[in-house]
Amino acid sequence: NFMLTQPHSVSESPGKTVTISCTRSSGSIASNYVQWYQQRPGSAPTTVIYEDNQRPSGVPDRFSGSIDSSSNSASLTISGLKTEDEADYYCQSYDSSNPVVFGGGTKLTVL
Amino acid sequence: QLQLQESGPGLVKPSETLSLTCTVSGGSISSSSYYWGWIRQPPGKGLEWIGSIYYSGSTYYNPSLKSRVTISVDTSKNQFSLKLSSVTAADTAVYYCARLIWAAGTGLSWFDPWGQGTLVTVSS
Repeated sequence: NFMLTQPHSVSESPGKTVTISCTRSSGSIASNYVQWYQQRPGSAPTTVIYEDNQRPSGVPDRFSGSIDSSSNSASLTISGLKTEDEADYYCQSYDSSNPVVFGGGTKLTVL
Repeated sequence: QLQLQESGPGLVKPSETLSLTCTVSGGSISSSSYYWGWIRQPPGKGLEWIGSIYYSGSTYYNPSLKSRVTISVDTSKNQFSLKLSSVTAADTAVYYCARLIWAAGTGLSWFDPWGQGTLVTVSS
């Protein structure tokens, strides 16, 4: 089994760019796709990135995803930050012994 | 548009069994392309996968909960259900159901969409 580690919190100003990391503890980050979910207070999670870097329809192109094999990490980047982006963000992936693994979540504050 | 809706008691006594049902609308639970899953979130904490099921009845459980979890499917009602036995206060959480897009051959495992969630409190 592996773990996905995220920073507990990040903060940035409106209009700026923020990046949230998700580090895989063992096994290659590139071996299975990474998804990112946004969860606003009191709401269910929704997908902002799937298959490492794909955006569902309706998700603004300010959201982008990438993976870095050298750091064994995935990243979610949000540019042109808006106050509405303030939420918790979770990464999620998979391996053959565990169909679903979630990261611990990152609280994004836009101040 | 596919929608999922959780239902069940909002209060369960310690040591009893938590039972929830997820009703799927706007699509068939018998689709060969998808699995179906349960995820929970304790108040103020992160997401925890509970388990998943295929329409044929094949199940996959989180090893940490496996001894207490049963997930079943009723294709005639387009529903799947969760039972969690011997609950304690630590099982208090918002419980979500979701469609799982799982393609092991391509390394894809992705929950979308999610139900709105239902809060279950374990208390006497």
